[in-house]
Amino acid sequence: DAGITQSPRHKVTETGTPVTLRCHQTENHRYMYWYRQDPGHGLRLIHYSYGVKDTDKGEVSDGYSVSRSKTEDFLLTLESATSSQTSVYFCANGQSGNTIYFGEGSWLTVV
Amino acid sequence: DQQVKQNSPSLSVQEGRISILNCDYTNSMFDYFLWYKKYPAEGPTFLISISSIKDKNEDGRFTVFLNKSAKHLSLHIVPSQPGDSAVYFCAASEYQGAQKLVFGQGTRLTINP
Repeated sequence: DAGITQSPRHKVTETGTPVTLRCHQTENHRYMYWYRQDPGHGLRLIHYSYGVKDTDKGEVSDGYSVSRSKTEDFLLTLESATSSQTSVYFCANGQSGNTIYFGEGSWLTVV
Repeated sequence: DQQVKQNSPSLSVQEGRISILNCDYTNSMFDYFLWYKKYPAEGPTFLISISSIKDKNEDGRFTVFLNKSAKHLSLHIVPSQPGDSAVYFCAASEYQGAQKLVFGQGTRLTINP
């Protein structure tokens, strides 16, 4: 069990507005991740964190930033949302060398 | 460049028979492989994994086979049940530390009664 809560679960926003998605874990895992899922692409890594204030880019990081000020929280920010960022966003967590576990997802629509 | 590929977008199998889902990869540095199952409107759930030092791992009705020389892995589900109907993703990673998983596109499995 990931022990992950994502918020908001659903959001519609306008192009050009900033958006922040929150991921909260109760498991105290070291690693946290943000993925996006799009048809035909599976899940793609946006950013990940390997500790408080330690983050790195994933495969599709352009247009996204993250922050991790506490072990339990990992925030994903879209500074200026675009229609190409309409997607389902999944947060995940895990410990070193082990499987990662996903949250329920956040559905974001940019109009 | 798609490093992990699932070439079958969909698969239909009769209840009670064997389901075989396939996955190919191109990166020879991958050393850990996983399968996830996903129902609509839910997050992916971990199913089974295999390390590159093994060629088979079994967990109940689920078995994963790894053929490193062919860069191919498969998931066998036997017997298939209606609750197995879902999208299945294979994933791979290079490191045992931060598991930066690379996913395939997914295969939608439908189990017919």
